Amino acid sequence: DIQLTQSPSSLSASVGDRVTITCQASQDIGNYLNWYQHKPGQAPKLLIYDASNLEAGVPSRFSGSGSGTDFTFTISSLQPEDIGTYYCLQYDNIPPLTFGGGTKVGVK
Amino acid sequence: EIQLVQSGGGVVQPGGSLRLSCTASGFTFEEYAMHWLRQVPGKGLEWVSLISGNGVTTYYADSVKGRFTISRDNKKDSLYLEVNSLRAEDTAVYFCARDRGLRDFDWFPGVWGQGTPVIVSS
Repeated sequence: DIQLTQSPSSLSASVGDRVTITCQASQDIGNYLNWYQHKPGQAPKLLIYDASNLEAGVPSRFSGSGSGTDFTFTISSLQPEDIGTYYCLQYDNIPPLTFGGGTKVGVK
Repeated sequence: EIQLVQSGGGVVQPGGSLRLSCTASGFTFEEYAMHWLRQVPGKGLEWVSLISGNGVTTYYADSVKGRFTISRDNKKDSLYLEVNSLRAEDTAVYFCARDRGLRDFDWFPGVWGQGTPVIVSS
């Protein structure tokens, strides 16, 4: 199975800061990687698919990049409503689909 | 608007069974694969199972294979997960999700339901 190593596990930043999360795959997955946002008590939300494509309706401050084994997720200017946990997901060579361990984002 | 309404969670004893349901609206149900995923309390997200739009193809995580069964009724726009031989480690919030439908056989969850809790406890 493909493993995803996500870091950091948590971070706290100020409103307006640039936030970066990384996700490393245990083998080459091309661009078969997504990013999801999960707020407590809510349904998780797809933000980025195919490593760098912004899902419809998602604010442009969210972006993704990378291919192969190394991927990056960026919030260009952190907003208070961005508080939550972010997960990467790979869907290459399924089953199984696998998630990274998650990054809990807080606002200072 | 795409909606996924979940039901069927609850408290069950170890070794017991439940049937989780997910009723869809706002899209042509039979055209999309569907997923079940879960979140154990205090832990991250875990993919559990998927079923193709026509119900022919099903996949399972190793942790549930042989105990859980995914199915769908396209006439009722409904997705199901039969969970049997439940263990304490199956305690989680279970989510159904519609596949994004980006490309044939490139399956990943797009829109998610709100989740239903399953608590395995004696």
